[in-house]
Amino acid sequence: DGGITQSPKYLFRKEGQNVTLSCEQNLNHDAMYWYRQDPGQGLRLIYYSQIVNDFQKGDIAEGYSVSREKKESFPLTVTSAQKNPTAFYLCASTPRADNQPQHFGDGTRLSIL
Amino acid sequence: EDQVTQSPEALRLQEGESSSLNCSYTVSGLRGLFWYRQDPGKGPEFLFTLYSAGEEKEKERLKATLTKKESFLHITAPKPEDSATYLCASISSGSARQLTFGSGTQLTVLP
Repeated sequence: DGGITQSPKYLFRKEGQNVTLSCEQNLNHDAMYWYRQDPGQGLRLIYYSQIVNDFQKGDIAEGYSVSREKKESFPLTVTSAQKNPTAFYLCASTPRADNQPQHFGDGTRLSIL
Repeated sequence: EDQVTQSPEALRLQEGESSSLNCSYTVSGLRGLFWYRQDPGKGPEFLFTLYSAGEEKEKERLKATLTKKESFLHITAPKPEDSATYLCASISSGSARQLTFGSGTQLTVLP
């Protein structure tokens, strides 16, 4: 079955540590996205990529970094500069970046030790 | 800046008690309005896309409608398994192909 796989499901970060969240899709979608979800708030866009080797900042990119070396993969690094990283992180993809619905993975919950 | 507001924040229904969830949007040039269902600890699951005012989509007990200012998700004779958070999101010509999400309505259907 085609889909989006996020790993790990749970992740813990120590102070001053960078951590990387994995997102892999086998849907052959061009566009991929990273969102952050906090309790009682809507999803907020961190970064998105419309094509391999290209990505743009979303609304809350500070303290995060991404890469898009392969069409299937769009990892997100939460750096030590992100002072409030505890949240539920969601990866999504669409066939192309237009008015098609986004399909989501099952998320990674990041917590601070 | 695009804005999407959902109401109510939470809704408790008895099994079989029909109701509607509201999604109001303020966007420049709507290109699509999406409804998702999200279960706890899971990613959003796509339900419907609406593209123009007057459009309706149905799936089992759910029906989504769209006007020029808002969208409704009507739930007919809900069952406990319909309990979830329902999210709406818009995409517009002014949003650089980015979705703007509402904060969701948490629906609980009691047996």
